[in-house]
Amino acid sequence: AQKVTQAQTEISVVEKEDVTLDCVYETRDTTYYLFWYKQPPSGELVFLIRRNSFDEQNEISGRYSWNFQKSTSSFNFTITASQVVDSAVYFCALSEFTGNQFYFGTGTSLTVIP
Amino acid sequence: EAGVTQSPTHLIKTRGQQVTLRCSPISGHTSVYWYQQALGLGLQFLLWYDEGEERNRGNFPPRFSGRQFPNYSSELNVNALELEDSALYLCASSLRTYGGNQPQHFGDGTRLSIL
Repeated sequence: AQKVTQAQTEISVVEKEDVTLDCVYETRDTTYYLFWYKQPPSGELVFLIRRNSFDEQNEISGRYSWNFQKSTSSFNFTITASQVVDSAVYFCALSEFTGNQFYFGTGTSLTVIP
Repeated sequence: EAGVTQSPTHLIKTRGQQVTLRCSPISGHTSVYWYQQALGLGLQFLLWYDEGEERNRGNFPPRFSGRQFPNYSSELNVNALELEDSALYLCASSLRTYGGNQPQHFGDGTRLSIL
């Protein structure tokens, strides 16, 4: 079974629209970490955020915000007022305290149309 | 601060050949990870090295191997190349991780094409 599911394969939005990227994870650990990465067309994955399982406080960084809900095992990512530069593939990842690897989702390809 | 560096950037090989990919982690990082990203697929975990030892290995055949040197740089070796090995190979590094708490920082990758 997939430990990290990103059900949205591709999303297209018009510039300035808001968009939410979904991430659902599965783990039996009580301590775990969740991450979001951005992979622009150039290829390099860029680390965006880390959350630990004990901190459900939502976080906002500029136009980016993250909604972590343990009750639904979700860690969704919202981009407000999207821009063309936001076009990329976004990956959600899980790391378990008792594990020894990252589990990446299959990614969501976001295209922002000018 | 220099990021994760990988070499070469691009590589073209033929079936049956062998290839070595190289990775230098961010200064201070002791863990190195290797991933395969084939076209249209997500990141497939290959190997994790820390302090010179292999800590974990993904579901890949033994012809995928690697090592980590005392300076924490790493090599990924692939023997008997097959067409399906064509992919972007990503290296990442992190500080020593305790229970998976450290984010991984990625290099630009090596694009390997098998003809």
